[in-house]
Amino acid sequence: AQSVTQPDIHITVSEGASLELRCNYSYGATPYLFWYVQSPGQGLQLLLKYFSGDTLVQGIKGFEAEFKRSQSSFNLRKPSVHWSDAAEYFCAVGAMRTSYDKVIFGPGTSLSVIP
Amino acid sequence: GAGVSQSPSNKVTEKGKDVELRCDPISGHTALYWYRQRLGQGLEFLIYFQGNSAPDKSGLPSDRFSAERTGESVSTLTIQRTQQEDSAVYLCASSRRGYDEQFFGPGTRLTVL
Repeated sequence: AQSVTQPDIHITVSEGASLELRCNYSYGATPYLFWYVQSPGQGLQLLLKYFSGDTLVQGIKGFEAEFKRSQSSFNLRKPSVHWSDAAEYFCAVGAMRTSYDKVIFGPGTSLSVIP
Repeated sequence: GAGVSQSPSNKVTEKGKDVELRCDPISGHTALYWYRQRLGQGLEFLIYFQGNSAPDKSGLPSDRFSAERTGESVSTLTIQRTQQEDSAVYLCASSRRGYDEQFFGPGTRLTVL
């Protein structure tokens, strides 16, 4: 069965430190991969997505993610975290096996930023 | 429209009453999802519509929950005989295709007293 895991429920980092949020998936097809962010009291916003091509993708707000097929992973990174990055982060996976295939979300990782 | 809209933005109801939540997706988006998000929790998938295919209802928590979609436009989520545990934010999202980027609405905050 298809699944998406985000092993870290909650992460705390200091402002200015680097960040990596993990995402692993199990999918029986070439995946389409997404990272979304939900800031406190805000709606969900797409940070970046991977469909094909270069496995390192750049997103908004200085985030990037790398698709590693051999590890079934799509980890999100940022070199220097800002206090405004404190939010909930969701990884999601879809696949174009059929037009009916749906996207599945992971459980989310909550990020706290220490000044 | 410019984005996904949902109404009402807030709904307070009494236990046992029925409620209807509305979602207007982005024009041309064939896929539409409903999610539930309890306070401090992740996204709980409820139902998925894709074009004219039968909806994927695998996430509906009980038979008190139902949803309809008119063609590729408006969708309504109905909760019958509401319970306090139904209190949550209900999010709607649409996408051009089922496996594509989702655009989320602002949500409906449901409070069951």
